[in-house]
Amino acid sequence: DTGVSQNPRHKITKRGQNVTFRCDPISEHNRLYWYRQTLGQGPEFLTYFQNEAQLEKSRLLSDRFSAERPKGSFSTLEIQRTEQGDSAMYLCASSITTGGYYGYTFGSGTRLTVV
Amino acid sequence: AQSVSQHNHHVILSEAASLELGCNYSYGGTVNLFWYVQYPGQHLQLLLKYFSGDPLVKGIKGFEAEFIKSKFSFNLRKPSVQWSDTAEYFCAVNSGYALNFGKGTSLLVTP
Repeated sequence: DTGVSQNPRHKITKRGQNVTFRCDPISEHNRLYWYRQTLGQGPEFLTYFQNEAQLEKSRLLSDRFSAERPKGSFSTLEIQRTEQGDSAMYLCASSITTGGYYGYTFGSGTRLTVV
Repeated sequence: AQSVSQHNHHVILSEAASLELGCNYSYGGTVNLFWYVQYPGQHLQLLLKYFSGDPLVKGIKGFEAEFIKSKFSFNLRKPSVQWSDTAEYFCAVNSGYALNFGKGTSLLVTP
């Protein structure tokens, strides 16, 4: 168990470009979450997958954002036509539930800077 | 909608001082409550969690939290802080599949 892995760790992009982040959850975890964290704020929920199904999306996830989890393993988060307001730390977390709620394991995040 | 309020945004303590960080939530149903810690340059880590049962929950590194249902509170405590406790602390409550986080409390422990 190597924890939740996120790549890249840092991404600087020009406004209007597309970016894609990857998250590899803990292998036996069937649930995967994306959060966004800006300076001085706690993490804000973006979306949630159970296996390959995207079950919940926050209103924060505009049409420019899309997330996938093919085959229920790793996940990608794509932001199209990036804006300066997208600059944030993007966090991935995973969990497993067998009849209970056990909390998440977070990755180290991908820091996005849009210039 | 659920919300989480952390009262103290910045706390500075000397080593060996006692710590209490406030957390209040607004939600009328059954809740699961969490405290996460983020050490400088590291990812969020779970300190402790409350699902049910004994309202006094013990976590890692000597931290504990008390769930007081009547006050909608889940305050974090530690009797004697160490310099290594310098970190950002986040209270969170579950909302369906998601966690709602407070804005965090930045704790600085001075030698």
